[in-house]
Parts: sequence; structure tokens; C-alpha cells
Amino acid sequence: DSGVTQTPKHLITATGQRVTLRCSPRSGDLSVYWYQQSLDQGLQFLIQYYNGEERAKGNILERFSAQQFPDLHSELNLSSLELGDSALYFCASSVVGAGGDEQFFGPGTRLTVL
Amino acid sequence: GENVEQHPSTLSVQEGDSAVIKCTYSDSASNYFPWYKQELGKRPQLIIDIRSNVGEKKDQRIAVTLNKTAKHFSLHITETQPEDSAVYFCAAEMNYGGSQGNLIFGKGTKLSVKP
Repeated sequence: DSGVTQTPKHLITATGQRVTLRCSPRSGDLSVYWYQQSLDQGLQFLIQYYNGEERAKGNILERFSAQQFPDLHSELNLSSLELGDSALYFCASSVVGAGGDEQFFGPGTRLTVL
Repeated sequence: GENVEQHPSTLSVQEGDSAVIKCTYSDSASNYFPWYKQELGKRPQLIIDIRSNVGEKKDQRIAVTLNKTAKHFSLHITETQPEDSAVYFCAAEMNYGGSQGNLIFGKGTKLSVKP
């Protein structure tokens, strides 16, 4: 157990819908990252937050957004869902998010869009 | 931006043999290179990492080497066991602008260890 929690574990929804994925980082970690892992694909970096502020963006679609709250948990919002959005979504956390900081991954949320 | 290439995509070895996975990266400013192991349906877990001030690091049956001049790094697993079967990802840390800490991952190597 990495100490990072994600809910829900599974999510099944329809095209066009909107969902919210939640992540709680390890105690003491200030930085949260979101990754998308599609079938047979690697881990695609989506976005990073540090202490409530957006720090960096990767390959995140405009239909996706995220935020980190004062208690440091983070939410990833996916809207206007398409079939291709079906994937495993991981969040990870690290202490400060820089300089070789180890990232600890949560168990993931498996999203299925029908 | 940073790009990480990983080879091979699949690797099958006999139990007890060694396995080697190689990665190259593009950003010469990268200084941190972790390796993650992901079992089917599970989270990626860090197994070893290396920083640019060292050329090699070992942890029991696992070792990683780094050649900063050539911009490549490799994972070596000796005396492989069936429980080593998993997907292995290399990564390089982006290190420019405000992107410190972000990891760019290779596409993964599916290692199968046959008993």
C-alpha cells in the first residue's frame, strides 16, 4: 500500500457524460500528478499540482480539468466523454514534486465509457 | 519536450537467465531516471532509480546503468524468477522551466519469465 488512495475503483458511464475522479495523496506529500494509461499503452502524464497550484500540464485534453484542494486532495474532471477516454487513471504523489522526488502511485480508477 | 524510447516491448526469458531493458531519452537536462514495475491490474511501483551523478546502482538482483553522454540507461535483472514477470517502465524526469518533477515514461516492456 503506497498511502495514496483513489476513488472510485471502477466507473462505467456513457458517452457524453461527465465524471469526477478523486485522489488523496500520502500524508505530507504536497504534489499530485495525474496519469492516463490506455490499453497496451504507457503512462501519459496529464497534469501536476503542487500545494494547491497547477504546476505543469502534459497531454491533457481541453475536456479534462483538475484541481487540488486546501486539504491537498485532488480531483480530475472528465467531461463530454468519448469511447477513447476509456482507460486506467492513476494519480501519484510526492513530497515536493521536484529534483528526483519519488512518486508513489495510487491503485487507479478504471474508467469504461460505453 | 522530453521523449523516452524503451526497448524491447516484449521480452521472454527462462528462469535463472538475465534480462536487460534499454531506454534512451532526449532531454540532456534530465537528472533522475526511475524504473517502475507494474503487475497486471496493479499500480506502478518504483523498483530502482538512478541520478545523473552516478553511473550504476545495484539492489540485490536488480541494477541500473546510466550513460549521460549517450543519453541512455538500462535495467538489468539477474537470476530471473517467475515473480519478476510484469511490465517494466523506464522514465526520465523533465527538468526545464516549471516542469521539474514530471516524469516522461517509456512505453513499457512486458517481461515473461518461464519456469
